[in-house]
Amino acid sequence: KQEVTQIPAALSVPEGENLVLNCSFTDSAIYNLQWFRQDPGKGLTSLLLIQSSQREQTSGRLNASLDKSSGRSTLYIAASQPGDSATYLCAVRHQTGANNLFFGTGTRLTVIP
Amino acid sequence: DTGVSQNPRHKITKRGQNVTFRCDPISEHNRLYWYRQTLGQGPEFLTYFQNEAQLEKSRLLSDRFSAERPKGSFSTLEIQRTEQGDSAMYLCASSLTGIGNRVSYEQYFGPGTRLTVT
Repeated sequence: KQEVTQIPAALSVPEGENLVLNCSFTDSAIYNLQWFRQDPGKGLTSLLLIQSSQREQTSGRLNASLDKSSGRSTLYIAASQPGDSATYLCAVRHQTGANNLFFGTGTRLTVIP
Repeated sequence: DTGVSQNPRHKITKRGQNVTFRCDPISEHNRLYWYRQTLGQGPEFLTYFQNEAQLEKSRLLSDRFSAERPKGSFSTLEIQRTEQGDSAMYLCASSLTGIGNRVSYEQYFGPGTRLTVT
């Protein structure tokens, strides 16, 4: 069974710092990987999707990388802002079989003004 | 706003009652998923539909749970004889599947329905 782990579970940084969130998965036979943002009590907002054939994706201050063979992904946030405070979740979809996403437990980010 | 809507946003019910949630996906999306999220955890898959066909159900989906997607549009998730352990956020997502390199299968999530069973 696919297991997705996110480290650290929580992170506090001062405003303006660059930071990296980590995601690892046990089964490398994935179709794609998505990074989501979740505000307290809210649904999920998709940030970036990386196909299994890609190495990275960028959107504004966000950059996500994927190393499928080692089962790792990182989300890099540049010049963090208080509005970035949220829980960040990564999720993987398998190549075959079930079409659902397997989620990690998330990293709760607090950016201190 | 992702374009996926869910109703109600909050539901408080007493143990033993039945509840029903609704999800309206992005109109052209043919796949619809239900997930459950408990506090401090990531979402866990419950079931998914392609058009009106329910193609997969998780072992988490006990016989008290039933989902439908009539006509391949909106979907409902019903929980019968609710238990306190059913308290969670129920999330719906939709995606587009098809043939070709431009189909990413990216899932778009709704705001969720928070269920509290007292």
